[in-house]
Amino acid sequence: SSELTQDPAVSVALGQTVRITCQGDSLRSYYASWYQQKPGQAPLLVFYGENNRPSGIPDRFSGSSSGNTASLTITGAQAEDEAEYYCNSRDSSGNHPHVVFGGGTKLTVL
Amino acid sequence: QVQLQESGPGLVKPSETLSLTCSVSGGSISNYYWSWIRQPPGKGLEWIGYIYYSGTTNYNPSLKSRVTISVDTSKNQFSLKLSSVTAADTAIYYCARFDYDEIRRVAAFDIWGQGTMVTVSS
Repeated sequence: SSELTQDPAVSVALGQTVRITCQGDSLRSYYASWYQQKPGQAPLLVFYGENNRPSGIPDRFSGSSSGNTASLTITGAQAEDEAEYYCNSRDSSGNHPHVVFGGGTKLTVL
Repeated sequence: QVQLQESGPGLVKPSETLSLTCSVSGGSISNYYWSWIRQPPGKGLEWIGYIYYSGTTNYNPSLKSRVTISVDTSKNQFSLKLSSVTAADTAIYYCARFDYDEIRRVAAFDIWGQGTMVTVSS
């Protein structure tokens, strides 16, 4: 099955822009979805599909995709954005629509 | 506002079957996909499987031989059974609504329960 690869950790200065990436063959065929998870909380969907931000998610969160790489961009990172971020997509291998997650990226806001 | 709530035993003995239920409130279970996802302590997310309200299922190949997901539309609930558990199955188990659409090329978990910790130990 396909895998999704994320950098384990990324840091950003307060107010600056940061890009979190997710790589995998399945991303050539399917869009990534992005989740924010803070300690002790359930994951929260922050961006998905071609250009979809769930209600209540700040517009500083945006997504993009190119080839086998999807990106989540936070423009003007805030202290409250410090969290673990996961991507997922539909597994493109085989006829059965399985789901795969990336390993997660720990975002530190300095 | 749709909300999900997991329920079930927090402790399961090795070799036994883990059973959890997800109750959906604030909306109908019909016309949607529903999923189970787990997260071992300190680790990442692992998709377990999903079910359509009509009963069609799909499971993670690594767990397929031990997993059964079912739905009860009359109770607005869906359930997870994981058999022959070991310590490796110790995790927080989440239920989630699954926005799956081949035309839009989307596979997103848009609403999550709070999660329930299940420990496998004798």
